[in-house]
Amino acid sequence: NAGVTQTPKFRILKIGQSMTLQCAQDMNHNYMYWYRQDPGMGLKLIYYSVGAGITDKGEVPNGYNVSRSTTEDFPLRLELAAPSQTSVYFCASSGILAGGGETQYFGPGTRLLVL
Amino acid sequence: KQEVTQIPAALSVPEGENLVLNCSFTDSAIYNLQWFRQDPGKGLTSLLLIQSSQREQTSGRLNASLDKSSGRSTLYIAASQPGDSATYLCASFGGAGKSTFGDGTTLTVKP
Repeated sequence: NAGVTQTPKFRILKIGQSMTLQCAQDMNHNYMYWYRQDPGMGLKLIYYSVGAGITDKGEVPNGYNVSRSTTEDFPLRLELAAPSQTSVYFCASSGILAGGGETQYFGPGTRLLVL
Repeated sequence: KQEVTQIPAALSVPEGENLVLNCSFTDSAIYNLQWFRQDPGKGLTSLLLIQSSQREQTSGRLNASLDKSSGRSTLYIAASQPGDSATYLCASFGGAGKSTFGDGTTLTVKP
């Protein structure tokens, strides 16, 4: 049981390049999330998914796209990378609690530097 | 829009001291609140989760409380140790896509 895995761990991009951040979970969770964390700050929600084929925008979706073709995988696509996208990206999946709450499990993060 | 605030932003204490970290939120319509620990350059590790129907949760030297009516949660750490040094984040969950994180409190425990 690996939990939530993310690849790559670190990446340097040039301005205008594109890349896909991979995320996978093996806990059979329907809910999955992508966050970004800037230095000294909390996490900001980029996109989320409540199940295969269903995605929705979070607080800071501009410049990103997602897809959810399977329960396990939730890749995040960066198109035309900009310096403002330099950040640490975390993927999470949620187990749903009785009563409607959720407990989130996080991947180790991907550190992205755009130069 | 939910806002989560953590005060103080940083805290330094001598080893052995008991301490309290604060988390406040503006919208009480939450299902649960979760406290996380984050070590430098690492991901988030869940410490305690309090559901909206609960008042507190305990795990070892950690105790978290939740008061929805006042929009506050506290994380109490007893007999602090240098290994407790980390950033502590609280997050509220109000349904799918309604997760809001505070900016965290960075704790330093001096030997």
